[in-house]
Amino acid sequence: GAVVSQHPSRVICKSGTSVKIECRSLDFQATTMFWYRQFPKQSLMLMATSNEGSKATYEQGVEKDKFLINHASLTLSTLTVTSAHPEDSSFYICSARGLHDSGNTIYFGEGSWLTVV
Amino acid sequence: DAKTTQPNSMESNEEEPVHLPCNHSTISGTDYIHWYRQLPSQGPEYVIHGLTSNVNNRMASLAIAEDRKSSTLILHRATLRDAAVYYCILRRPSNTGKLIFGQGTTLQVKP
Repeated sequence: GAVVSQHPSRVICKSGTSVKIECRSLDFQATTMFWYRQFPKQSLMLMATSNEGSKATYEQGVEKDKFLINHASLTLSTLTVTSAHPEDSSFYICSARGLHDSGNTIYFGEGSWLTVV
Repeated sequence: DAKTTQPNSMESNEEEPVHLPCNHSTISGTDYIHWYRQLPSQGPEYVIHGLTSNVNNRMASLAIAEDRKSSTLILHRATLRDAAVYYCILRRPSNTGKLIFGQGTTLQVKP
């Protein structure tokens, strides 16, 4: 099946620094990618929708200047957490929709754990 | 997107069938019913989806009520590896792929 890969899988950064998480569709082209955040024992919360070559659309309450999303190609989207703080520590997950989405082709990455110390 | 309601948790014994219910009383005629599951510390995984008819695949079966206001995900023989959070999500064909997750059902499988 199609594969979506995230990198890094785990990252620890110091408070005040920025960290970038990559989301790649390995064997298909993704017109749209999505970024979610998940706190322990909670469900996934959609942060933003990113379309290749255009600006991301952020969900209400998500700071676009803090969570920078770039979708420069059909196989890569990046999420940069700027000036990270301990409350940004979370599990970040991306998903990708294939060019020929037939209703079930939404694939998720394995997630990236961010710890801000 | 219409909401779904699922029990917070369920338990099953290994190698027994599991029926995971989902209520979606405000479903529209074009909404597809999707099921995903999330194993601990992993991203969600597609399980199955359907519109009106019951569906089977290698992972599970999906039974959809005639009025479509509820559905049931059936795992025919639960294994320990099926312990996960199961999410029932409605999705319209025009949907860009944005999936809104509810709280899901945490399935525990006892050996």
